[in-house]
Amino acid sequence: AQKVTQAQTEISVVEKEDVTLDCVYETRDTTYYLFWYKQPPSGELVFLIRRNSFDEQNEISGRYSWNFQKSTSSFNFTITASQVVDSAVYFCALSEWGGYNKLIFGAGTRLAVHP
Amino acid sequence: DSGVTQTPKHLITATGQRVTLRCSPRSGDLSVYWYQQSLDQGLQFLIQYYNGEERAKGNILERFSAQQFPDLHSELNLSSLELGDSALYFCASSEDVTGELFFGEGSRLTVL
Repeated sequence: AQKVTQAQTEISVVEKEDVTLDCVYETRDTTYYLFWYKQPPSGELVFLIRRNSFDEQNEISGRYSWNFQKSTSSFNFTITASQVVDSAVYFCALSEWGGYNKLIFGAGTRLAVHP
Repeated sequence: DSGVTQTPKHLITATGQRVTLRCSPRSGDLSVYWYQQSLDQGLQFLIQYYNGEERAKGNILERFSAQQFPDLHSELNLSSLELGDSALYFCASSEDVTGELFFGEGSRLTVL
């Protein structure tokens, strides 16, 4: 069965600190997609990234970076120089290849960035 | 703004009642998905439609049903409501069955 574990329920940091959100997944599929979404206090789900299981290259987008390690089934998300606007709940998700976007979400990590 | 429109944004109703949530996908997107976010279950996939046809089903209760109309908008019908149905219901759309998902702002249902 597919499963996504985000062991960190809540993280609290001070502005400008770097923070890493952990995501560990389980799947029997050899091909799959991994995602990160952000849910700010307003409630909407904001897409951050989708990676397929063939591409293990790390990705950087501004202050955001993602580390995908197939060997440890992890897809961690790092925010560099955090800002108050980064305060949100962050979800990691998994779907099988060709899985019709049937995402399996983790429980989420609530990030609070304090001034 | 994702381009996915959901109505109503908030809904309060009583146990045993029936409600309909509506979703208009992004222009050009053929696939519509419904997800439920509750305190107990977290974010769960409910059901997916592609160009009017059901394509995938998740943990959707028998009391719930959905459809996608010829103009591609979708409705999620929730009947015989229970307290535990209180949740945020998200609609999402994508161009095809594997394209990037765009989520609406959600419809928050409160069952009293």
